[in-house]
Amino acid sequence: GAVVSQHPSWVICKSGTSVKIECRSLDFQATTMFWYRQFPKQSLMLMATSNEGSKATYEQGVEKDKFLINHASLTLSTLTVTSAHPEDSSFYICSARGAGTSLTNEQFFGPGTRLTVL
Amino acid sequence: RKEVEQDPGPFNVPEGATVAFNCTYSNSASQSFFWYRQDCRKEPKLLMSVYSSGNEDGRFTAQLNRASQYISLLIRDSKLSDSATYLCVVNRIKAAGNKLTFGGGTRVLVKP
Repeated sequence: GAVVSQHPSWVICKSGTSVKIECRSLDFQATTMFWYRQFPKQSLMLMATSNEGSKATYEQGVEKDKFLINHASLTLSTLTVTSAHPEDSSFYICSARGAGTSLTNEQFFGPGTRLTVL
Repeated sequence: RKEVEQDPGPFNVPEGATVAFNCTYSNSASQSFFWYRQDCRKEPKLLMSVYSSGNEDGRFTAQLNRASQYISLLIRDSKLSDSATYLCVVNRIKAAGNKLTFGGGTRVLVKP
């Protein structure tokens, strides 16, 4: 149990286009989802925390108008990178935390989406 | 100063040997501690939680030293499949909700 999927697993796009990444909890309800970004040879950096039905909370230095997050249901959160540029090329990983007591504290990670902006 | 710091390595380990490495954290309010493993181009996966009394899971032993604010991971009888980046992760429960802070990772290469 506690499986999180991401789609797409990789994407290549032209500079200036927008890219949407989906994060789904497949077998549990995720009250909170987290979006991370990882540049090569660096650690995961939290971008934002999203709670179902409310606005996402962004970390300092992350532009909310550039990285649009929607968490419309308990099983789906989306991250849209608007007007992507080459410096946005990175590995984007989501994680989800469940609503049940046994799943409350642990975060379950999706397999990540590798974005390359040309 | 980074909130969670690790020696990036790599630690080159002969197969069958023991390797140990530490992680330091700066915030004394940190409450939960974990070691994650990340393979190249993959998502991190929970290896083990770290408890105050120290804990062991097979060949892996984790220790926590709150006074000195560091945690450690020891791998005994290293296998080739242990080659990975080990991420030290700290959890500080806040009003914003239970965020994980990742260290930069320690790379371990186990060689025959």
